[in-house]
Amino acid sequence: GAVVSQHPSRVICKSGTSVKIECRSLDFQATTMFWYRQFPKQSLMLMATSNEGSKATYEQGVEKDKFLINHASLTLSTLTVTSAHPEDSSFYICSARDLLGTSSSETQYFGPGTRLLVL
Amino acid sequence: GNSVTQMEGPVTLSEEAFLTINCTYTATGYPSLFWYVQYPGEGLQLLLKATKADDKGSNKGFEATYRKETTSFHLEKGSVQVSDSAVYFCALSDRRGSNYQLIWGAGTKLIIKP
Repeated sequence: GAVVSQHPSRVICKSGTSVKIECRSLDFQATTMFWYRQFPKQSLMLMATSNEGSKATYEQGVEKDKFLINHASLTLSTLTVTSAHPEDSSFYICSARDLLGTSSSETQYFGPGTRLLVL
Repeated sequence: GNSVTQMEGPVTLSEEAFLTINCTYTATGYPSLFWYVQYPGEGLQLLLKATKADDKGSNKGFEATYRKETTSFHLEKGSVQVSDSAVYFCALSDRRGSNYQLIWGAGTKLIIKP
């Protein structure tokens, strides 16, 4: 159980285009999803926290107009990188927290990540 | 604020050696503690967790004990295998309003040689 998928797994795009990344919880309902960015050989950087049906909460320094997050249902959140530039190239990872209000709800389940390369 | 400190890597060991990866934390309250593993080319997987002091999390031969007195959550395994080569992240849960966020250590790369 607790499987999270991401699509696509890898994307190459031209500078100036927009890219949408999907994150789905396959066998549980996720009230909250998180979007991270990971640079080579570094730890994860939390970009934003996404709650179903409400606006995402962005971390300091993350441009909300550039990284659009939509959490339209309890099983799907999307991250759109708008007008992508080469410096946006990175590994983007989503995670999901399940609906149950127990201590185990602190646990996050991670998607496999999406590698974005902007040329 | 809350933080997590891990030993720097890479850690290189021979197969069947004993492994310890140190993790210490700073936190107010009593957070849950986690170890996540990232195998080459893959996403993060929860390896083990502990939710209160003196709890021991274990999985796949790995263990870690939540030590409140030393604010530590060191990862151990008695006999490592080549397949354990990966990056290991220590993390703690940080409650912000109604949400929990994870505070991450920098990660420790483990290399096991046959």
